Amino acid sequence: EAQVTQNPRYLITVTGKKLTVTCSQNMNHEYMSWYRQDPGLGLRQIYYSMNVEVTDKGDVPEGYKVSRKEKRNFPLILESPSPNQTSLYFCASSLDRGKNEQFFGPGTRLTVL
Amino acid sequence: SQQGEEDPQALSIQEGENATMNCSYKTSINNLQWYRQNSGRGLVHLILIRSNEREKHSGRLRVTLDTSKKSSSLLITASRAADTASYFCAPFNGLGNDMRFGAGTRLTVKP
Repeated sequence: EAQVTQNPRYLITVTGKKLTVTCSQNMNHEYMSWYRQDPGLGLRQIYYSMNVEVTDKGDVPEGYKVSRKEKRNFPLILESPSPNQTSLYFCASSLDRGKNEQFFGPGTRLTVL
Repeated sequence: SQQGEEDPQALSIQEGENATMNCSYKTSINNLQWYRQNSGRGLVHLILIRSNEREKHSGRLRVTLDTSKKSSSLLITASRAADTASYFCAPFNGLGNDMRFGAGTRLTVKP
């Protein structure tokens, strides 16, 4: 089944404790991206990747890192999480940017205390 | 960058009625996509309409695109309670990484 998976689905952590949210897709998509969703603000893009070893900042990259060492994986790293990073996070992938539909993961609800 | 703005922010209708949501954008586009999101879950792609298309159908969904007015509408006919969700548009102008989601329209269909 074609899908985007994210782990963990739920995470409660404390300020400053490094964490990684994994994202994996099995559709051989070149394009992957991370979004955060906050009430009233819609989805805001954090980082995106056009292909392996090619990543770039989205609209709200501060406090986040990503890597794209393999085509299927695109982990999101929070080196020192803060309470303002409490949010619902989505990973997405598509064949290419914008010209085809994006497939979204189920989301990761992160709470930083 | 280009972002779609959905209107209205919220819409409440009775089952069986039609629901219309609108999307406006600012610059020329290559295509425009509509997505649905059930509460707290990932977005699901509904329809992609290209700039040279004026109307597209998929089941009970009808999307129109008016490039002169820089707007699109999503019509859901004979709505069902299961259509209750948030709906987002994402215009894409073919440049850079220009595909942004707005805050969405929250549709509630009452049984």
